[in-house]
Amino acid sequence: EAGVTQSPTHLIKTRGQQVTLRCSPISGHTSVYWYQQALGLGLQFLLWYDEGEERNRGNFPPRFSGRQFPNYSSELNVNALELEDSALYLCASSFRIQETQYFGPGTRLLVL
Amino acid sequence: KNEVEQSPQNLTAQEGEFITINCSYSVGISALHWLQQHPGGGIVSLFMLSSGKKKHGRLIATINIQEKHSSLHITASHPRDSAVYICAVNRGSQGNLIFGKGTKLSVKP
Repeated sequence: EAGVTQSPTHLIKTRGQQVTLRCSPISGHTSVYWYQQALGLGLQFLLWYDEGEERNRGNFPPRFSGRQFPNYSSELNVNALELEDSALYLCASSFRIQETQYFGPGTRLLVL
Repeated sequence: KNEVEQSPQNLTAQEGEFITINCSYSVGISALHWLQQHPGGGIVSLFMLSSGKKKHGRLIATINIQEKHSSLHITASHPRDSAVYICAVNRGSQGNLIFGKGTKLSVKP
C-alpha cells in the first residue's frame, strides 16, 4: 500500500511569488493535515481538512490556504511568499480523527 | 509557555544505555503521540496513547493523565535510534496535532 505522497520534493521561489504544494493521502484516509517545520524550529500546525471541509487552521496568516478534493487529496497554497516561509512542509493523513497520523516525505521550500 | 514541553532538548547516550524522554502538557487532550524524525526529515509515528502504557520492541511509552505527563523509554539503545523524538497531542476534539520542540538523541557506539 502506498504511503502519503507529496509533490514537489523541492521548490525554490522568490519573495512575492505564489506556490502550490500537493498531497495524496493513504487510500481510505479522509483526514489530511498540513504542518510547517521552519529551519531550527519545531513543527507547527497549518491546516486540517476532513471530508472536503476545512476543520481547523493554525496561527498563520490568510495567505496560507488550501483545499481538499473529492478524492481526499489536498493542496496547500501560499501567496505573497516571504523569506520566513522557507521551511519543510509536511502533509499527514489519518483514517479517522484522532488516530495515528502517517506523514509524507515533505516539500522543502526555499524563498529567496 | 508552550502547551507541550519536552525534556531534555538534547541527549547523548552510549550504546546499550536506557534512555528516558519526558513530555508534559498543559491542555486537555484526547490522545498523545510519540513521533520519530530522522535527519532526512521523514517522520514516523511510534505510539499513540490515551492511557496506561504501550510497548513495541525496545520502545515503551507511558502516560499519566492526572499528572499530564508522558515518558518514552528506549531500552538497550543503539546508534540507529539516533533521531529527534517529538511529543505531540490532540487537544480536545481536534484532529490536528500540537507539538513539543523535540528531543535530539545521539547514541554513540
